[in-house]
Amino acid sequence: GAGVSQSPSNKVTEKGKDVELRCDPISGHTALYWYRQSLGQGLEFLIYFQGNSAPDKSGLPSDRFSAERTGGSVSTLTIQRTQQEDSAVYLCASSLLAGTSYEQYFGPGTRLTVT
Amino acid sequence: DQQVKQNSPSLSVQEGRISILNCDYTNSMFDYFLWYKKYPAEGPTFLISISSIKDKNEDGRFTVFLNKSAKHLSLHIVPSQPGDSAVYFCAASAGRGHGGTSYGKLTFGQGTILTVHP
Repeated sequence: GAGVSQSPSNKVTEKGKDVELRCDPISGHTALYWYRQSLGQGLEFLIYFQGNSAPDKSGLPSDRFSAERTGGSVSTLTIQRTQQEDSAVYLCASSLLAGTSYEQYFGPGTRLTVT
Repeated sequence: DQQVKQNSPSLSVQEGRISILNCDYTNSMFDYFLWYKKYPAEGPTFLISISSIKDKNEDGRFTVFLNKSAKHLSLHIVPSQPGDSAVYFCAASAGRGHGGTSYGKLTFGQGTILTVHP
């Protein structure tokens, strides 16, 4: 079956512009996670969804970052007024249910470059 | 505050030899540990995990060892193969046995680039 897909694969944007990153999880997976990997860093947790609700938004770096999930499926991560420090690879993962007993399957990521 | 650390950015090993990747953590609440493998332009894929109630878990060529008193875990790959060349991430979670909003959230190390030479 299809894995987690993300679009676009690459995005170059000018500082100050808004961007939207999309994640299509594996069908039937109720939990969805967003992480980002900055240069030379590990993956950093941003937000997680259980269904359409986000019980944990603790990793969002600022109020310029927001995410939503509709229909228990597709999720979009929006970054407003992008800054150069937002440049990173943004990774989405999904799992059947939330919890460490359930493997998280990652998408290939969106590489965001803010110029 | 880096709660999970992989202090070796890279490791080079000869084919057939053992690869040992190390990981240290600081958060005593972590009770589940995972290793992920990542190839370029792909997302990380799960490799092996270990619960804090164990000190060893083995799956084929891959073995993970956990030393809770030292807050240290390691991944052993033996024998190493050129196809094992990738970035390896250590990750930890406090999800098991804990409720609350962090359930399933993974905290990752910085990664170690493993190169296995033929």
